[in-house]
Amino acid sequence: NAGVMQNPRHLVRRRGQEARLRCSPMKGHSHVYWYRQLPEEGLKFMVYLQKENIIDESGMPKERFSAEFPKEGPSILRIQQVVRGDSAAYFCASSPGTVNQPQHFGDGTRLSIL
Amino acid sequence: GNSVTQMEGPVTLSEEAFLTINCTYTATGYPSLFWYVQYPGEGLQLLLKATKADDKGSNKGFEATYRKETTSFHLEKGSVQVSDSAVYFCALIAGNGNKLVFGAGTILRVKS
Repeated sequence: NAGVMQNPRHLVRRRGQEARLRCSPMKGHSHVYWYRQLPEEGLKFMVYLQKENIIDESGMPKERFSAEFPKEGPSILRIQQVVRGDSAAYFCASSPGTVNQPQHFGDGTRLSIL
Repeated sequence: GNSVTQMEGPVTLSEEAFLTINCTYTATGYPSLFWYVQYPGEGLQLLLKATKADDKGSNKGFEATYRKETTSFHLEKGSVQVSDSAVYFCALIAGNGNKLVFGAGTILRVKS
């Protein structure tokens, strides 16, 4: 299956810990997007990356959140010092990169903060 | 700014009923429009898309027509099945941008 792969599917952290979410894009896709889905809400854009570059991080909280997409390996969304309000489903999507191409989504990581 | 408004759910229908889920948008320029479907515990799957005015996207019996004059992209299906039960999201990408702007989602429940 060459789809977008996210892991872990479920992640439980205590307040103050760090959460690391990984995303491997579809084969041939060089553009990665992260979205957050809070309970009972739609998805909200967080960040858009290409290999080794952050293109648009306008949806990322200013503190505690960071993202990277290194030359080798998956994209990582990192949340430091997690709080209860970070509990959500985090979805990664990828696209081939040209404008307005459909984005293909992974199954998400469900983050729960105790 | 760019935004998408969908009809609130849940929408509950009997099998073989006609489905309409309304979606309207506000955007700068000429957006591309999408419908995504999310089954329980899964990610979003692209259902259909339209990239310019009067285009009709269709897939698996679902259709939606890009109406520039009414800024709408309503989703329709002539005869729903129990397996269509899911959450449906209308979304847009504005102008030359790359990020999806989603509506809040509409839960569809189909009863046999």
